Amino acid sequence: DTGVSQDPRHKITKRGQNVTFRCDPISEHNRLYWYRQTLGQGPEFLTYFQNEAQLEKSRLLSDRFSAERPKGSFSTLEIQRTEQGDSAMYLCASSLGVYSYEQYFGPGTRLTVT
Amino acid sequence: AQTVTQSQPEMSVQEAETVTLSCTYDTSESDYYLFWYKQPPSRQMILVIRQEAYKQQNATENRFSVNFQKAAKSFSLKISDSQLGDAAMYFCAYSPETSGSRLTFGEGTQLTVNP
Repeated sequence: DTGVSQDPRHKITKRGQNVTFRCDPISEHNRLYWYRQTLGQGPEFLTYFQNEAQLEKSRLLSDRFSAERPKGSFSTLEIQRTEQGDSAMYLCASSLGVYSYEQYFGPGTRLTVT
Repeated sequence: AQTVTQSQPEMSVQEAETVTLSCTYDTSESDYYLFWYKQPPSRQMILVIRQEAYKQQNATENRFSVNFQKAAKSFSLKISDSQLGDAAMYFCAYSPETSGSRLTFGEGTQLTVNP
């Protein structure tokens, strides 16, 4: 069990550029979540997957955001045409599924949009 | 919509003393889960303790215990024998039983442990 990993850990980009983040969950976990955390605040839910199916998306997830989880393994979160307001920590978490409510978090990807 | 409120932005405690962090929540659900997560500086979020709403007994994990008052919608965390390593941001979180278990977090309480 190597834990949840995220790549990259830090990303600096210019406004208007596209960025993509990757999350690798714990191998036997079939649920994967994305959260966004701004400085000094608690994480906010963005979306989650049960295996490869994206089952819920928050209103926070504008049409510039897209997430995928092909084959139910790793997931990617893409932000198109980044804005300064997108600067935040993007957290990924995974859990076993229906009968386990404990989510295990990755270290996060810190995005800075200049 | 469910909300979670942590009214103490910052708390401090002397090493070896006891501290209690407060959390209230609002929900119309009867079955749900409550959590306390710890986020040390520049490190990832880890689960401290979990409480199922259907259980009357308060959860305990070593030096960490909760006071769960369902009618009052209150869920406080007590840390006994505080250690320097307990210094972190603590988040209270809520998860309904029936919507994929997504977490709703409070604003967090920054805990400082003084030697």
